[in-house]
Amino acid sequence: DVKVTQSSRYLVKRTGEKVFLECVQDMDHENMFWYRQDPGLGLRLIYFSYDVKMKEKGDIPEGYSVSREKKERFSLILESASTNQTSMYLCASRLGGSTDTQYFGPGTRLTVL
Amino acid sequence: GENVEQHPSTLSVQEGDSAVIKCTYSDSASNYFPWYKQELGKRPQLIIDIRSNVGEKKDQRIAVTLNKTAKHFSLHITETQPEDSAVYFCAANLAGTASKLTFGTGTRLQVTL
Repeated sequence: DVKVTQSSRYLVKRTGEKVFLECVQDMDHENMFWYRQDPGLGLRLIYFSYDVKMKEKGDIPEGYSVSREKKERFSLILESASTNQTSMYLCASRLGGSTDTQYFGPGTRLTVL
Repeated sequence: GENVEQHPSTLSVQEGDSAVIKCTYSDSASNYFPWYKQELGKRPQLIIDIRSNVGEKKDQRIAVTLNKTAKHFSLHITETQPEDSAVYFCAANLAGTASKLTFGTGTRLQVTL
């Protein structure tokens, strides 16, 4: 059974802080993704990675960066958090090509004050 | 890039009735169309998917139909039950190994007694 975990369920940060969101998967998946979920806007892709140290911009990468130093771990970084980054952040992983099932983590609800 | 539109945004049906959610996509190269269900406070989970080489797929009370010519696909839930109440997301891929899923904006389904 695929397991995707995220480091925090809830996080409260202040404007200007550097924020790290961690995601870990235990099924040796090649691909990992970070989405943000906002009411009425669905799931929007921030960044994804198809291999260690590789990253690709998604649809809304501005204000975010990512790091993938190990295959099982994909980190999302907010260099200087802003209030408009208050959202639910969902990590996902997928074994191989785009027709493989994508599995989601439980999400991190981030509030930036 | 791919654009996926999903309708309706909210849907209320009585228990036992059928529910239909529709999505359209823009990229004729898309060949994989998954549907995810997200219950309140939980992660999105795959409930059914369809590949472009078939027109319909069923799994018990849920079915998905695909019209490649018109570039639209639909989720059908029959004999709805209260536990079907959730947000449903459709998605479409871009063909290729390092490709991503583009999600619709979601449909909140409420099944009333």
